[in-house]
Amino acid sequence: ETGVTQTPRHLVMGMTNKKSLKCEQHLGHNAMYWYKQSAKKPLELMFVYSLEERVENNSVPSRFSPECPNSSHLFLHLHTLQPEDSALYLCASSSGQGADETQYFGPGTRLLVL
Amino acid sequence: GQNIDQPTEMTATEGAIVQINCTYQTSGFNGLFWYQQHAGEAPTFLSYNVLDGLEEKGRFSSFLSRSKGYSYLLLKELQMKDSASYLCAVKSGGYNKLIFGAGTRLAVHP
Repeated sequence: ETGVTQTPRHLVMGMTNKKSLKCEQHLGHNAMYWYKQSAKKPLELMFVYSLEERVENNSVPSRFSPECPNSSHLFLHLHTLQPEDSALYLCASSSGQGADETQYFGPGTRLLVL
Repeated sequence: GQNIDQPTEMTATEGAIVQINCTYQTSGFNGLFWYQQHAGEAPTFLSYNVLDGLEEKGRFSSFLSRSKGYSYLLLKELQMKDSASYLCAVKSGGYNKLIFGAGTRLAVHP
C-alpha cells in the first residue's frame, strides 16, 4: 500500500530544536494515527484522529504535539526532545473506526535526537 | 493488563513451511491482524481474523482461537523475499486501537 506518505524519511535534531513530521494519506480515509517504533519493542500508539478530531492521546509527553488540519494531513510537532525519543515514527490511516478497519502505514520517519 | 507474545526470531529454509505463533491477553478483543514489515519499510497488512478458524490467502494463512487467546501465521513455499518481521496486533477497545506484539524476525535461507 503506497497511499500513505511521510516526510522527512530521516531526521537528526538536537534537544533544543523544534521540528515537524508530516503525514499525508491519499486513500480517502477518515482516521489517522501516530505510532512510535523503538528497536525490539512493540509499536506504541501515540495519537488517534477521527474526522480531524483527536480521540485518543495515549499518555504521550507534551513535547510531542499532534495537529490534524484536515482528514488527509497529520503533523507531529516536536520540541525539546530527549535522546530516548529516538525511534521510527509511523503514521497510519484507516477508512473509519469499525472493528474490521485495516490500518495502512506510511514508511516512517527515522528520528535521531542528539 | 495488555500483553501480546510472539517469538523474537525464527529461521527457515527456502521452499519450506513456517508457523509463527502469537498469544494474547487483552482487556477486549475485536479482531487480530498480522502485518509484514521489511527493514526500513512500512508495515503492510497480511490478514485479519475475528472468528475462530483458518483464513487462507495464497501462500499465507492465519488461524485464530479466541478461547485460547492464540493465533498463528502460516507461510508456505517460503521465498527469500519473505525474510521480514511479522507483527501480530489485537484490536482492543474503542477508536480502532491496535495493540502490537514486538514482532518476529524471520530469516529465510537458501
